[in-house]
Amino acid sequence: DSGVTQTPKHLITATGQRVTLRCSPRSGDLSVYWYQQSLDQGLQFLIQYYNGEERAKGNILERFSAQQFPDLHSELNLSSLELGDSALYFCASSVGGTSRGSDTQYFGPGTRLTVL
Amino acid sequence: GESVGLHLPTLSVQEGDNSIINCAYSNSASDYFIWYKQESGKGPQFIIDIRSNMDKRQGQRVTVLLNKTVKHLSLQIAATQPGDSAVYFCAESPTGTYKYIFGTGTRLKVLA
Repeated sequence: DSGVTQTPKHLITATGQRVTLRCSPRSGDLSVYWYQQSLDQGLQFLIQYYNGEERAKGNILERFSAQQFPDLHSELNLSSLELGDSALYFCASSVGGTSRGSDTQYFGPGTRLTVL
Repeated sequence: GESVGLHLPTLSVQEGDNSIINCAYSNSASDYFIWYKQESGKGPQFIIDIRSNMDKRQGQRVTVLLNKTVKHLSLQIAATQPGDSAVYFCAESPTGTYKYIFGTGTRLKVLA
């Protein structure tokens, strides 16, 4: 158990809908990362937050948004869902800070999103 | 469990042998590299990392080698065990960023 929790575990919804995925980082971690893992695209970095502020942006679609709250939990919002958004969505957390070299990311168990 | 990347390259190794998993990274400006292990139904798990000012780094039963000239990374697992069966990903992070670019992954199967 990495200490990172994600809810829900599974989510089934229809095209055009909007969903919110939630992540609680490990105790003491200030950074949260979101990743998408699909069969045809592998693991894609979406976005990182550090202590409530956006720090890095990857291949995140404009239909997707995220935020990190004062209590450090994070939410990933996916809107106008398409069939191709079906994937595993992982959250990871790390202590944060400026040194990437000692900032191990701990991944949660993921949320499986199925868009029908 | 979950099936990640149905068409991943697969490496089959006899239990007790050493495994070598290779990764070609894309960005010559990357200066930080990580190997992750992902077991079926779970999230990726950190194994070992290396900075670009190093060629080699050793952990417990694992060694990462970095060849910047040809943009190649490898993970060596000594005395491979059944519990090592998983998908292994390399990831790179370009200098000055907190972005991470993941490789497609390699499935390691350990044969008894």
